[in-house]
Amino acid sequence: AQSVTQLDSQVPVFEEAPVELRCNYSSSVSVYLFWYVQYPNQGLQLLLKYLSGSTLVKGINGFEAEFNKSQTSFHLRKPSVHISDTAEYFCAVRIGNEKLTFGTGTRLTIIP
Amino acid sequence: ETGVTQSPTHLIKTRGQQVTLRCSSQSGHNTVSWYQQALGQGPQFIFQYYREEENGRGNFPPRFSGLQFPNYSSELNVNALELDDSALYLCASSFRLAGSEQYFGPGTRLTVT
Repeated sequence: AQSVTQLDSQVPVFEEAPVELRCNYSSSVSVYLFWYVQYPNQGLQLLLKYLSGSTLVKGINGFEAEFNKSQTSFHLRKPSVHISDTAEYFCAVRIGNEKLTFGTGTRLTIIP
Repeated sequence: ETGVTQSPTHLIKTRGQQVTLRCSSQSGHNTVSWYQQALGQGPQFIFQYYREEENGRGNFPPRFSGLQFPNYSSELNVNALELDDSALYLCASSFRLAGSEQYFGPGTRLTVT
């Protein structure tokens, strides 16, 4: 079975500084990889996804992620964060059209 | 294009009661998945429905059941509610294609007292 690890439960970052949110996964077969964002009292919104092809994936709101097969990682990055990026971020994996398996989330807090 | 909607937004029930949560899929989507998100946790897969049949189930007891209707809307039913059932319940709709994006609704916050 597949699993997802987000080691950082909370990440505080100063406004306009860069940020990296880490995600590692485990699976015996090829997976699709996703990052979702959840704002307070809301559902999940897709930031970006990796299905195949280029290992660098660009998403909405200036976020990008890089798939590293040898390290089984899919870290999320943004070069300059804004107050509005304060939210919970979830990494998820999926095999084919089956269920999404989520990590426990990383709370990103932007410090003015 | 209408997004995924869920009702009600909030619900308070007593232990032992039964609850029904509803979800309307995004237009054109034929697959619905339900997730439970406990406070401070990531969403956990409950089950998925495709063409009105259950098509995959997570580690949840049989008192969690569902339906999908011909218009692809869906219901999640939970019987004999327990305190640990308190959570945000998320519905997601998608096409039945490998790697297709799941579009999430805003969720229903269930509190069991």
